[in-house]
Amino acid sequence: DTEVTQTPKHLVMGMTNKKSLKCEQHMGHRAMYWYKQKAKKPPELMFVYSYEKLSINESVPSRFSPECPNSSLLNLHLHALQPEDSALYLCASSQDPGRPLHFGNGTRLTVT
Amino acid sequence: ELKVEQNPLFLSMQEGKNYTIYCNYSTTSDRLYWYRQDPGKSLESLFVLLSNGAVKQEGRLMASLDTKARLSTLHITAAVHDLSATYFCAAENTGTASKLTFGTGTRLQVTL
Repeated sequence: DTEVTQTPKHLVMGMTNKKSLKCEQHMGHRAMYWYKQKAKKPPELMFVYSYEKLSINESVPSRFSPECPNSSLLNLHLHALQPEDSALYLCASSQDPGRPLHFGNGTRLTVT
Repeated sequence: ELKVEQNPLFLSMQEGKNYTIYCNYSTTSDRLYWYRQDPGKSLESLFVLLSNGAVKQEGRLMASLDTKARLSTLHITAAVHDLSATYFCAAENTGTASKLTFGTGTRLQVTL
């Protein structure tokens, strides 16, 4: 069982929809991450929050908007996505930046 | 820019055999990680290697790091079917804690 919880597990959305992915951890970790993984490809870093502040944004399109309401929660707001954005979105956390990552089970997103 | 390459991309091996997966990275890295991913699942942390000459073992898997050669290996001893999965190495960008660059992944299939 993972200690990083992601919801929903699956999401199908149209290109005009607005949805949010949620991630929660209660391990007291101070760094949280969003990764995107396409089929049979390695994960690609999207965002890093360190001590609730956005520390890394890997030039992700603005249709993806991260939010860190507190040290335990991380959201990814989605708006006007494209079919090529369909992927597995993985949340991860670590005790501090540079410590091993603990991944959630991911949200499998399909954009129609 | 840090680049991480793994080989082979696909490995089919018989139970009981030994094999090695190789991970090369292009520039100095602070840490080297190995992860396992089962189909449709999240990533499970296997090893963190912090210094030159580091060797870690867990069950039938052993990982090592040679920072001078910028090479890490994951050695599989007497493979069993349960080890079938995709294995990723990931290197951490020096000076940019939390930013992992993943290798291409090695899909391991252990046959009876």
